[in-house]
Formats: sequence, C-alpha cells, structure tokens
Amino acid sequence: EAQVTQNPRYLITVTGKKLTVTCSQNMNHEYMSWYRQDPGLGLRQIYYSMNVEVTDKGDVPEGYKVSRKEKRNFPLILESPSPNQTSLYFCASSPRTLEKLFFGSGTQLSVL
Amino acid sequence: AQSVTQLDSQVPVFEEAPVELRCNYSSSVSVYLFWYVQYPNQGLQLLLKYLSGSTLVKGINGFEAEFNKSQTSFHLRKPSVHISDTAEYFCAVTTNRDDKIIFGKGTRLHILP
Repeated sequence: EAQVTQNPRYLITVTGKKLTVTCSQNMNHEYMSWYRQDPGLGLRQIYYSMNVEVTDKGDVPEGYKVSRKEKRNFPLILESPSPNQTSLYFCASSPRTLEKLFFGSGTQLSVL
Repeated sequence: AQSVTQLDSQVPVFEEAPVELRCNYSSSVSVYLFWYVQYPNQGLQLLLKYLSGSTLVKGINGFEAEFNKSQTSFHLRKPSVHISDTAEYFCAVTTNRDDKIIFGKGTRLHILP
C-alpha cells in the first residue's frame, strides 16, 4: 500500500533532550516536506527536500534539522527541544511540487 | 513571497445547504492552488487543484472551486453538504519560483442537522 509512515505517533519529552521523528515513503517520491500544525495557525512548512541531499528551509525552520540521505527517508531532528515546539507534526511527499501531497498520520509532540 | 488567506476560521451550515469556503492569495508571479481536507484525527487529503486551463475545477466528494485571477481568489463550493463533510479545509498555494507550499490557516466546516 502506498503510504507515508511517521513514527512515533505520540511523543512526550523534556526540554533539551534531543529527539528524531522519522518519516518514510514507499512511492519513490522526489519531494518531501515537514509541517507543523498549531491551532489558529494552520500548517506551516518547516523544511522541504526536492531530492536526495537537497534540503531547503520553509517558513519556520528555527530549532529543527532534517536530512535526506536516501530518497525514501526524511527524518526531522530537534537537537534541543523547547516547549514552543509542542505541536502536531506532519510529513508529506509528492512525485513533484505540483503534484498532490501524500500526508502521514501525524506526530503529536509535547515538550515539557 | 506568496501568501494565502482564509477569511473564515469556522463556517456553520445546515445539512443539504450549499456552502462556500473563501480563499484569497497574494503573489507576484503565477500561482498554483490547492484545496486539502483534514477529517478529525487524520492527515490531509487533496480535494482539488488548479494548475492551468479551465478556471472551474472539479474535485472529489462533489466539491468544486473557481480560480479568479482578477480577484486573486480560489473559493471552494459544494451545492449540498452532508454530515460527512465535517472537517477542516485548507487552501494552499505554490509557484514555480520556489518549491515552498504555503497553507492557509484553515476553515472548520460545521454541518448542522
């Protein structure tokens, strides 16, 4: 089944403890992206990647890192999480920018 | 840089009544526009998109949207809504100048019995 898989689904952590949210797609998509969703703010793009080893900042990249070493994987790394990074995170992929995005099920992150 | 505005954060509508969800965009270059739907506790799914050609775009679940360049709008419509349409709807814009996809803040559609 074609899908975007994010893990974990829920994560509670403490300030400063490094964490990684994984994202994997099995559709051989070139484009992958991370969003955070906050009430009243909609989805805001954190980072995106057009292909392997190519990543670019979205609108809210501060405090986040990503890597694209393989086409299928696009992990989101929080080196030193802070409470303002408490949010619902979505990974998405598409064949190219103008094609529809396939979204993962989301990761609810709470930073205490 | 491009931006998108969804003027209504919530829209209540009676079942079987028509609905319009508004979306306005801003960009100095040509745009490509999308509507996504998010059902409770799920990720987003594409409803429809406008890339070029006919300004009236038909999507899934009976939704359609019209691209209006002079009014910089891309409003979403459905002639008769059902309880199952209860969801949050997001308008999104991108251009071929960069690969950013900008989403609006979303509109929650509440269907009243």
